[in-house]
Amino acid sequence: AQTVTQSQPEMSVQEAETVTLSCTYDTSESDYYLFWYKQPPSRQMILVIRQEAYKQQNATENRFSVNFQKAAKSFSLKISDSQLGDAAMYFCAVNSGNTPLVFGKGTRLSVIA
Amino acid sequence: GAVVSQHPSRVICKSGTSVKIECRSLDFQATTMFWYRQFPKQSLMLMATSNEGSKATYEQGVEKDKFLINHASLTLSTLTVTSAHPEDSSFYICSARESGQGLLPLHFGNGTRLTVT
Repeated sequence: AQTVTQSQPEMSVQEAETVTLSCTYDTSESDYYLFWYKQPPSRQMILVIRQEAYKQQNATENRFSVNFQKAAKSFSLKISDSQLGDAAMYFCAVNSGNTPLVFGKGTRLSVIA
Repeated sequence: GAVVSQHPSRVICKSGTSVKIECRSLDFQATTMFWYRQFPKQSLMLMATSNEGSKATYEQGVEKDKFLINHASLTLSTLTVTSAHPEDSSFYICSARESGQGLLPLHFGNGTRLTVT
C-alpha cells in the first residue's frame, strides 16, 4: 500500500514571498511518480508539478519547484514569488504502474496581500 | 491537451432517487478510469477503479450495489448513485489516464457536486 502524509493542514505566505509545503510518502514500489495538485475553490484538480522517482534532478515549473529526497521519502513543494492566485488546497500524491493516485490530506495555502 | 468531461457539474435530487454521473475522455482512449469522492475540507478518496469491458474494482467500504459503475467504451464511464440518501451528498470526481501511458499523470474531470435532499 502507498501512503502520503501532509503534516501542514494550513499555511500562509505574504505575496511575493516563498513558501514550502511538506509531503512525505511511503511506497514499496521501485518505480513511481510523485505529484503536486492544486485545487482552487472551483474544485478543479490542476497538476502543478510531477517528479519521476528514478530522476535525481528536482523538477521545476516556473515558480514551482520540488525538493525530492528519495531516501527520506520526502517531496516538498516550494512556491516562489507567491501570487494571490496561488491560494488553494494543495495535494501531494503518488502512484505507480496503472494504479490510481493516492493523495495526502492536503494543505490549505493562503496568500496575504 | 487531454480533456476529461464530467457531467453534470451540479445535481440536486430527492432522497430515494438515482443519479447518473458521466465521465468522458474527449480526445484519448482510457482503458481505466477512477472515481473519487471528496467531502468538504477533506482529501480525495478513491471509490473504485473502472475498467473498460469488465467489472469495476471497489475500495473497501464502498457499496458496489449503491454506486454502480459502467465502463462500456474506451471513452465513457458512468457512476450511478442508487437510492441516494443525504449522506451521499458529496463532490464526485472522475479521472482517466490515456491507455498505454504508464505512469503519466491522470486527467481529472471538473467534478460533480451532488446534493441529496
